[in-house]
Amino acid sequence: EVQLVESGGGLVKPGGSLRLTCAASGFILSGNHMTWVRQVPGKGLEWISFTNGVTNKISYADSVKGRFTMSRDNAKNSAYLQMNSLRDEDTAFYYCLGSGSFSTWGQGTPVTVSS
Amino acid sequence: QAVVTQEPSVTVSPGGTVTLTCGSSTGAVTSGHYPYWFQQKPGQAPRTLIYDTNNKHSWTPARFSGSLLGGKAALTLSGAQPEDEADYYCFLFYGDDGVFGGGTKLAVL
Repeated sequence: EVQLVESGGGLVKPGGSLRLTCAASGFILSGNHMTWVRQVPGKGLEWISFTNGVTNKISYADSVKGRFTMSRDNAKNSAYLQMNSLRDEDTAFYYCLGSGSFSTWGQGTPVTVSS
Repeated sequence: QAVVTQEPSVTVSPGGTVTLTCGSSTGAVTSGHYPYWFQQKPGQAPRTLIYDTNNKHSWTPARFSGSLLGGKAALTLSGAQPEDEADYYCFLFYGDDGVFGGGTKLAVL
C-alpha cells in the first residue's frame, strides 16, 4: 500500500524554524516527483514546493522562496521541508503528495506560528 | 503566475450528472498540465480522484471521470451520491511549478 506520513509540525515563534518529514512507504521516492502543499483551515490548497524526480530540480512558490528548502534522503525513503524565518501567515496544515499513480496524501502535520 | 479557475459552488441532484471545470489564465489546459482532481470532505485530508487528466486510482468511484473539454480540464460525476458532497480542487503543472484552483463546493441536493 502506498502511504505518506508527515511529521514535525508544531508551535513555533515568528522567525523560528521547523523541519517537516514525509516518510514514504509502498513505493520508492527516488525517481518520483514529490510536492508539498499547505492549507489554512477553512481555506483552499496552496502549492508550495515540488521536486522533479527525473531532473532533481526543486521549485518553490514565491510565498516561501528563500525561506523553505525541500530535500530528500533516498536511504530513508523520506522527503523533508526545512522551514526558516517562519511568519504568522505560514500557519497551516502541511501535506506531502506523491505524483501520478503514487499521488496519495498524508494526513498532514499542523504548523502554528505565533508569539 | 498563472491563475487556475473553478466554479465556486455547484449543486447537483442525487443521481444526476455534473461537470466541474478547471481553466487556466494562460490559455487552454492540455495534457501537458497533467491535471489532477482532489476531493476533500470536512475535517479530512484531501484525496486524489484523478491524475494526469483522466487516470483513476483504485479508490476512485467509477462514477467520476476526468477529461479535457473546451480548453479546460473537467471532472464529470455521473450518478451523484450524497457522499459526493465535498470540496473539489483541480491542480495544474506549469513546468515544475504547480497551481491549485480555488476549489468548487459541490452540494448534492
